[in-house]
Amino acid sequence: QKEVEQDPGPLSVPEGAIVSLNCTYSNSAFQYFMWYRQYSRKGPELLMYTYSSGNKEDGRFTAQVDKSSKYISLFIRDSQPSDSATYLCAPQTGANNLFFGTGTRLTVIP
Amino acid sequence: EPEVTQTPSHQVTQMGQEVILRCVPISNHLYFYWYRQILGQKVEFLVSFYNNEISEKSEIFDDQFSVERPDGSNFTLKIRSTKLEDSAMYFCASSEALDRVSYEQYFGPGTRLTVT
Repeated sequence: QKEVEQDPGPLSVPEGAIVSLNCTYSNSAFQYFMWYRQYSRKGPELLMYTYSSGNKEDGRFTAQVDKSSKYISLFIRDSQPSDSATYLCAPQTGANNLFFGTGTRLTVIP
Repeated sequence: EPEVTQTPSHQVTQMGQEVILRCVPISNHLYFYWYRQILGQKVEFLVSFYNNEISEKSEIFDDQFSVERPDGSNFTLKIRSTKLEDSAMYFCASSEALDRVSYEQYFGPGTRLTVT
């Protein structure tokens, strides 16, 4: 079983839509749940992260973790064309190395 | 805003040759990492480095790979004898060290390695 599974998409939404991006994981030792954004041929850019279960909000972005079901979500409100990128979930045990999902490619259509 | 830089942006080499990829981490960071991303695949952890020694490494990081912090600013990844399957984007990352654990890793723009 893969450590982290993520639907690769692609996902296309109209501008202003609410976007839901999701990952599942198998390793119960994961404690920190990071979300990165990656533009084509660029390095991953840290968006936000949560610790353990719960929600965290940062502007239009909300990260959510449900450890009981091993489910990670990122919601984007009022999506903009500039949000078009690949979104990577990357949980971490606390021992420093990140376990990346395959990424979901998002396109926001003006 | 401080950022991680990497050189070169693109490296082409012949199979069997040695390559050195260079990174300058963010100046007050103490944890350094290398990841790679084969085209169309996920980002994979290679190695982490703290206090002048390897902290963790993955199965990918075999004897052909080595890392070094030759001075106070650079962090390098050496591949001794490159193989075709080493062709990938290599990302350097760095993070602060808080009680020897750090969660916010900041990535450089990557070096595209092409082995022919």
